Amino acid sequence: DTAVSQTPKYLVTQMGNDKSIKCEQNLGHDTMYWYKQDSKKFLKIMFSYNNKELIINETVPNRFSPKSPDKAHLNLHINSLELGDSAVYFCASSQGPSPETQYFGPGTRLLVL
Amino acid sequence: AQRVTQPEKLLSVFKGAPVELKCNYSYSGSPELFWYVQYSRQRLQLLLRHISRESIKGFTADLNKGETSFHLKKPFAQEEDSAMYYCALMRGSGNTGKLIFGQGTTLQVKP
Repeated sequence: DTAVSQTPKYLVTQMGNDKSIKCEQNLGHDTMYWYKQDSKKFLKIMFSYNNKELIINETVPNRFSPKSPDKAHLNLHINSLELGDSAVYFCASSQGPSPETQYFGPGTRLLVL
Repeated sequence: AQRVTQPEKLLSVFKGAPVELKCNYSYSGSPELFWYVQYSRQRLQLLLRHISRESIKGFTADLNKGETSFHLKKPFAQEEDSAMYYCALMRGSGNTGKLIFGQGTTLQVKP
C-alpha cells in the first residue's frame, strides 16, 4: 500500500495553462512538503504544511499555490505555467518536527512546452 | 549562508572498488547532516544520518567539523549501489526546520 502517492505521474502541458498536482499520504503524518527537482537535479524545498497550516514558504513565485484540505493531502496548483516550471515535483511527509525522516513520494514529472 | 556542496556530478567506479562521495557544508552552529539515495525509478529515501553513526548497506559517513565535510564511503562498491546520492543539512529546528540539499552525485558502478 503506497505511503505517499502523487497524481499525475507525468504531466505535459502548454505554456500559460493552469495545472494541479495532488499528493496524499496514508502514514498518519501531520507535516507535508513540496520539493522541486530541476533539470540539473537540484532539489529544493518549496512549501511545508503542518496540520493544514503553511509553515515554510520559500521564495516561490505566487503562481504556485499549495492547498491542504486536510493533513493527509497537500495539493499544488500552478497558474500560467512557464517553460522554467518544467521539473520533477516531489511531495513528502513526516511526523511532527522531524523533517529529516521525511517519506518522499514518487514524483510528478512536469513538462511545459 | 547555509550551503551543501557536492563537487562531483558523476562518480564512476568499477565493482569492488572503494567509493567516496564528497559532501562539504557551511553552517554556523552544530550541523545535522544526512545522506539520501534515489535508485532508478524509486523514490528518494534516507540512507543514513550522522547522529546515528550507523552503517547502512555498507556505507558510512563521518562528520568532520574541522574540514566541514560529511563524505559518504563504502570500501567495496556493488552494482546495486548505482544511484543518485544527495547530501543534506538540516537548517533550523522544529516545524520551521528544513532540509538543504546538495546538488547530488550520480554513482555509477560498472561490472
